[in-house]
Amino acid sequence: QKEVEQNSGPLSVPEGAIASLNCTYSDRGSQSFFWYRQYSGKSPELIMFIYSNGDKEDGRFTAQLNKASQYVSLLIRDSQPSDSATYLCAVDGGATNKLIFGTGTLLAVQP
Amino acid sequence: DAGVIQSPRHEVTEMGQEVTLRCKPISGHDYLFWYRQTMMRGLELLIYFNNNVPIDDSGMPEDRFSAKMPNASFSTLKIQPSEPRDSAVYFCASSLASRETQYFGPGTRLLVL
Repeated sequence: QKEVEQNSGPLSVPEGAIASLNCTYSDRGSQSFFWYRQYSGKSPELIMFIYSNGDKEDGRFTAQLNKASQYVSLLIRDSQPSDSATYLCAVDGGATNKLIFGTGTLLAVQP
Repeated sequence: DAGVIQSPRHEVTEMGQEVTLRCKPISGHDYLFWYRQTMMRGLELLIYFNNNVPIDDSGMPEDRFSAKMPNASFSTLKIQPSEPRDSAVYFCASSLASRETQYFGPGTRLLVL
């Protein structure tokens, strides 16, 4: 079983819609959760991090964490074509000091 | 700060040659990570350092790979001898502390012919 799982997509949404990206993780000891965006040919860049259960909003982005169900999600409101990228979920490795990355979900926002 | 710096950005070499990738982390960051990314396997952690000391190298694929961090501002990842299956993008990342945000460099695109 993979430690961090994401649907590889592609997830296609029309411009202006809400994009919902999901991630599940296996280690109940994980405390830190991150969403990175990676454009084709570029390096991952941080969008948001979340440590506590519930929602965290930053502009058009909302991260949601449910530790009991071991999932974290990212909502992108008013999706724009410039949001088209691969979104990587990363979770701290519990007792270790490293982040475990999912394989990413490819998002395509159609104009 | 300039962010994480990696060199070279692109490397094309022939099978059997030695390849050295270089990384300068963000100043003040105590953790440095080396990753490899391929389409098939995604982003894989190879090794990470804390205060210049290698902590976990369980992701290093085999003895052909080695990494060093002689000081807080410089790290190398070496492949000797290189093989075509080593072709990938290699990222270096750094963070202030464990379990905190990692900042990635631009990556080195390695092609082994």
